[in-house]
Amino acid sequence: DAKTTQPNSMESNEEEPVHLPCNHSTISGTDYIHWYRQLPSQGPEYVIHGLTSNVNNRMASLAIAEDRKSSTLILHRATLRDAAVYYCILYGGSQGNLIFGKGTKLSVKP
Amino acid sequence: KAGVTQTPRYLIKTRGQQVTLSCSPISGHRSVSWYQQTPGQGLQFLFEYFSETQRNKGNFPGRFSGRQFSNSRSEMNVSTLELGDSALYLCASSLQPGGMNTEAFFGQGTRLTVV
Repeated sequence: DAKTTQPNSMESNEEEPVHLPCNHSTISGTDYIHWYRQLPSQGPEYVIHGLTSNVNNRMASLAIAEDRKSSTLILHRATLRDAAVYYCILYGGSQGNLIFGKGTKLSVKP
Repeated sequence: KAGVTQTPRYLIKTRGQQVTLSCSPISGHRSVSWYQQTPGQGLQFLFEYFSETQRNKGNFPGRFSGRQFSNSRSEMNVSTLELGDSALYLCASSLQPGGMNTEAFFGQGTRLTVV
């Protein structure tokens, strides 16, 4: 299974942008890059996903490197409610399910 | 529209007992997946059902089983409970199975404690 590497933890200040990196050097051509987050005491929540091009939605932006070996989740203005564990997941034809790693625990300071 | 509903939210069982957990997916979603979350192992995939058929199974012992009904509701069963089965069990629904280009919606989970 294709693997992702994320920092264990990151800190941000409220109302500042946050860039969460993810390395996936063994990504295959059919793997989509998904991001989920899990707030305390809740199930994971979908954030964004993409294949090759950068993606934007109301929650975040996803910047994908040209060689697709890395990606960055961008939260444009962090709020206290964005404090969560963020998971970067490769989801492709080689498996039929989301494979969660340990994720990045994001702390947001007021 | 209503989200994914898991019942019960909390459960305490004794070693050796069995337990059944329920998941009602979002209306119109036909794919249901189950995950186990523990502090040590993180989120691990159990199995996925689509149209009442198990499509995919994770690396768990046969004590863990599941099924899906014609209305897409799903149940998972754990027999002969062990202390190590204490975990948060999460259900996720999506429109299609193996939804690489779609999102999965998770329920809040069932917290199972085995004593």
